[in-house]
Amino acid sequence: EPEVTQTPSHQVTQMGQEVILRCVPISNHLYFYWYRQILGQKVEFLVSFYNNEISEKSEIFDDQFSVERPDGSNFTLKIRSTKLEDSAMYFCASSATSGRVAGELFFGEGSRLTVL
Amino acid sequence: TQLLEQSPQFLSIQEGENLTVYCNSSSVFSSLQWYRQEPGEGPVLLVTVVTGGEVKKLKRLTFQFGDARKDSSLHITAAQPGDTGLYLCAGVMDSNYQLIWGAGTKLIIKP
Repeated sequence: EPEVTQTPSHQVTQMGQEVILRCVPISNHLYFYWYRQILGQKVEFLVSFYNNEISEKSEIFDDQFSVERPDGSNFTLKIRSTKLEDSAMYFCASSATSGRVAGELFFGEGSRLTVL
Repeated sequence: TQLLEQSPQFLSIQEGENLTVYCNSSSVFSSLQWYRQEPGEGPVLLVTVVTGGEVKKLKRLTFQFGDARKDSSLHITAAQPGDTGLYLCAGVMDSNYQLIWGAGTKLIIKP
């Protein structure tokens, strides 16, 4: 069964360091997303990506964040200079469709980021 | 502003009991989804509802979309420990097709 894979599963970093989280979406999907979830709290939308560009982003997704699809398979989230409050589980998701009827989002297992 | 409010935030009940989780908004949604998330994993889609008044059943789970497409409910009959998890609703706003997430209902079913 196709699945979204994420690496690393857990990363510990020092405040101010750059972090890149990687995702391999399901191969025939067209819409890609990053979400984050602070421990025990709600799922927060960061950004959506379609046709090689950002289609939507939240207020959380400030200039410290960027996304890239460097090749046909990977979808990355970069945090340029991490802050303590960036500590969270980051989920990548992909879907085949979007629009009026929400397509099924397939989530990866998440990358836990701990900023010290 | 919390556009999609879920209630209750937390629910702990005994195996065999029934429960209902609610997802409410003042906004109209063109479609609404329910996801379940287990600890350490990503959310997994349970159902998508599209039509106002629609009812969908998934074994012991019954999902209803409100007539005005502003709210939804998830009813679990004879809850089992395997139903334990975080239940999230997410809706596509009619106005801008943006997917909005509720904060989730943490459900614990005690054996």
